[in-house]
Amino acid sequence: GESVGLHLPTLSVQEGDNSIINCAYSNSASDYFIWYKQESGKGPQFIIDIRSNMDKRQGQRVTVLLNKTVKHLSLQIAATQPGDSAVYFCAEIQNTGTASKLTFGTGTRLQVTL
Amino acid sequence: GAVVSQHPSRVICKSGTSVKIECRSLDFQATTMFWYRQFPKQSLMLMATSNEGSKATYEQGVEKDKFLINHASLTLSTLTVTSAHPEDSSFYICSARTAADTQYFGPGTRLTVL
Repeated sequence: GESVGLHLPTLSVQEGDNSIINCAYSNSASDYFIWYKQESGKGPQFIIDIRSNMDKRQGQRVTVLLNKTVKHLSLQIAATQPGDSAVYFCAEIQNTGTASKLTFGTGTRLQVTL
Repeated sequence: GAVVSQHPSRVICKSGTSVKIECRSLDFQATTMFWYRQFPKQSLMLMATSNEGSKATYEQGVEKDKFLINHASLTLSTLTVTSAHPEDSSFYICSARTAADTQYFGPGTRLTVL
């Protein structure tokens, strides 16, 4: 049968407003972070990344902020559109020497209302 | 960006049968591919790392005899779910790593075991 697990937290935002999605990561040794967008029934899509020696990076309509002191990552989406509705995952990457290992966070569902 | 495909996209099988899922990197060579599993409303969990020409590395708690991985070429990895049971029903996603250490994800395979 289906496993019972945590339900994804949901963020509901009106079209045109800005969205802020937060993520807490676990490993202070992680040196690279990525935000992914996953639409229903599809694989994750790369949105933006940031290295641990940076605290902010901007893309087109998206900004990622990294606070290493509290191990917190956020994704800001400007002027949110209906097409932004999806589940967003942060992922931390640890370089283990032989290969980098990617660990996903729990995810947040973004619902854009008209 | 790089393209990763999976086949099939959906599969329904009877309990006790085996199912093979293919993951292909279409426009680049990948010495390393990864297999993830995702239950509904949950995050992606790494199952194993597939290395071309050598044995896969499985994460703790993943049965290697249950989930057979073969990485026979630089563009193809296969995951075989042996003697599938209803609890194996899940969304299986692969990713392929480029030489620049970037992971690109496939579209996923929805497995339903009756």
